[in-house]
Amino acid sequence: SQQGEEDPQALSIQEGENATMNCSYKTSINNLQWYRQNSGRGLVHLILIRSNEREKHSGRLRVTLDTSKKSSSLLITASRAADTASYFCATEQGAQKLVFGQGTRLTINP
Amino acid sequence: NAGVMQNPRHLVRRRGQEARLRCSPMKGHSHVYWYRQLPEEGLKFMVYLQKENIIDESGMPKERFSAEFPKEGPSILRIQQVVRGDSAAYFCASRGDNYGYTFGSGTRLTVV
Repeated sequence: SQQGEEDPQALSIQEGENATMNCSYKTSINNLQWYRQNSGRGLVHLILIRSNEREKHSGRLRVTLDTSKKSSSLLITASRAADTASYFCATEQGAQKLVFGQGTRLTINP
Repeated sequence: NAGVMQNPRHLVRRRGQEARLRCSPMKGHSHVYWYRQLPEEGLKFMVYLQKENIIDESGMPKERFSAEFPKEGPSILRIQQVVRGDSAAYFCASRGDNYGYTFGSGTRLTVV
């Protein structure tokens, strides 16, 4: 079954603002990963956070993980028009497969 | 390293025909995953293969769908007697023995 529910399903903000997306999951995980998908394209790996980590940064991206609440957030700071895409969280479970959520569609308005 | 190569990029089949989707993993990667994505939805896991073995096929429909990853050559996802509901984007990902999945650009299957 799918887990990794993203919230919100859609988000529209002005360029320069920060965008925050949340992800919840149900079972124990090895790690949680965030991916970006531009319309009609493949997935691009953004960042991976392991189950024993609480926060991770990569450029304008900041990911947090709260294993007690089984939730994660992705923050994109100083958003740009090129950040417009769908963002998916994916959990890697013991069986070593990625389980994706439904995604958040982010639109950055110029 | 060319990354994960999927072909064809687009595939059109009439109802009842067979669809064969190919995935060449990254060099050195022995783990291959297939996912299906319907419009405006997330990716749904189908099958996980590791050289000549099916490790997890819990997401594969029981009929008409099969997958293989032979010792030599690409991984193949085969859909027999396609129906309109099979229309979707099919993504392949490969992984080495450490973390780090790499996704291909997908094959968009349209059944007419």
